[in-house]
Amino acid sequence: QKEVEQNSGPLSVPEGAIASLNCTYSDRGSQSFFWYRQYSGKSPELIMFIYSNGDKEDGRFTAQLNKASQYVSLLIRDSQPSDSATYLCAVGSSGGSYIPTFGRGTSLIVHP
Amino acid sequence: GAGVSQSPSNKVTEKGKDVELRCDPISGHTALYWYRQSLGQGLEFLIYFQGNSAPDKSGLPSDRFSAERTGGSVSTLTIQRTQQEDSAVYLCASRPTGGDTQYFGPGTRLTVL
Repeated sequence: QKEVEQNSGPLSVPEGAIASLNCTYSDRGSQSFFWYRQYSGKSPELIMFIYSNGDKEDGRFTAQLNKASQYVSLLIRDSQPSDSATYLCAVGSSGGSYIPTFGRGTSLIVHP
Repeated sequence: GAGVSQSPSNKVTEKGKDVELRCDPISGHTALYWYRQSLGQGLEFLIYFQGNSAPDKSGLPSDRFSAERTGGSVSTLTIQRTQQEDSAVYLCASRPTGGDTQYFGPGTRLTVL
């Protein structure tokens, strides 16, 4: 059974700090990796996706992928209170099936 | 452009009643997913439609749950004889052909009394 694990948190960081969110996955053949942000009472929205090992940067967000360690992370630089939300990691399955597996999410709190 | 829409936004029903939830995907998106999210929980996959292929129903929790997708566009998720444990937010997502990014609708919050 494919699993995606995230620390449920909450992760609390001060405004301006770097928030680091982590995710591990069990399916070694996974090819695509996504980070979604979900505000309370709202639906998930895509922040980042990454396919290759290494770092991918988009504004204040950086996704990091290490397929050998089956580990993907999301760094948020200069964290803002508006970043407070639950962050969901999703892993695209291998073998041509387009049904991603979602983690349970990590709650991030950025305090002023 | 228009995103994924879902209706109703909220549905309160009595135990034992049937409910229908509607999803209107982004125009041109051939893939459509239904998920369920209970309070404080992650996303539970329910069913996946891709074009005209037979849907992947592997996530449906019981035979009380069914879904249709008419004309490759609008989808309806039906829950028969609702139970209190069916209370959750039901999310629909669509995905374009050749892409693997899903776009979520606002969800339907179902409460079974």
